[in-house]
Amino acid sequence: DIQMTQSPSSLSAFVGDRITITCRASQSLKSYLNWYQQKPGEVPKLLIYGASILQSGVPSRFSGRGSGTDFSLTISNLQPEDFATYYCQQTSSPVFSFGPGTKVDIK
Amino acid sequence: EVQLVESGGGLVQPGGSLRLSCVGSGFTFSDHYMDWVRQAPGKGLEWVGRIRAKGNGYTTEYAASVKGRFIISRDDSKKSVYLQMNSLRIEDTAVYYCTRLTAYRYFYYMDVWGKGTTVTVSS
Repeated sequence: DIQMTQSPSSLSAFVGDRITITCRASQSLKSYLNWYQQKPGEVPKLLIYGASILQSGVPSRFSGRGSGTDFSLTISNLQPEDFATYYCQQTSSPVFSFGPGTKVDIK
Repeated sequence: EVQLVESGGGLVQPGGSLRLSCVGSGFTFSDHYMDWVRQAPGKGLEWVGRIRAKGNGYTTEYAASVKGRFIISRDDSKKSVYLQMNSLRIEDTAVYYCTRLTAYRYFYYMDVWGKGTTVTVSS
């Protein structure tokens, strides 16, 4: 099975900051990588699929890039509602898997 | 409104069984693969398994942690997907989410999630 790692596991940032979360796969995913956001007590929400395609309705301050084994999620101009946990997910294999998550909180 | 609603969670003893249900509405249920994802208390997301659509033979996939114990099925006439959980272990305690899998080109993603149903395995 494909193993996913994320870094950092948590980070603190100010409103208005630009942050980047990285995700690494144990084997090449091509571009089969999704990003989800989960706020406390809420259901996960799809942000990005295909490594860089923004889901409809997601603000343009979210962006994704990467291919192969290394990917990143960048949030520009961090907003109060962006403080949450972010998960990457590989869909390259029929057996999907998630990264362990990155918690973003307010500094 | 596109929606998924899970039910069937509860308290069960180790070694016991439980069947979760998920009903979809607001979309053509039969067209979509359906996945289950779980989240243990205070932990991250774990993909559980999938059932494909009729056109792909209703075939299934499972995470290694549940393979041989969990079975996913569906009834498109009822717009429902089911997760039969057998030989339950304490580590199966989690919120179980039903999700819709959508495809764009060859990219698959979970764009609709239910609110989840809680399964607690404890003696």
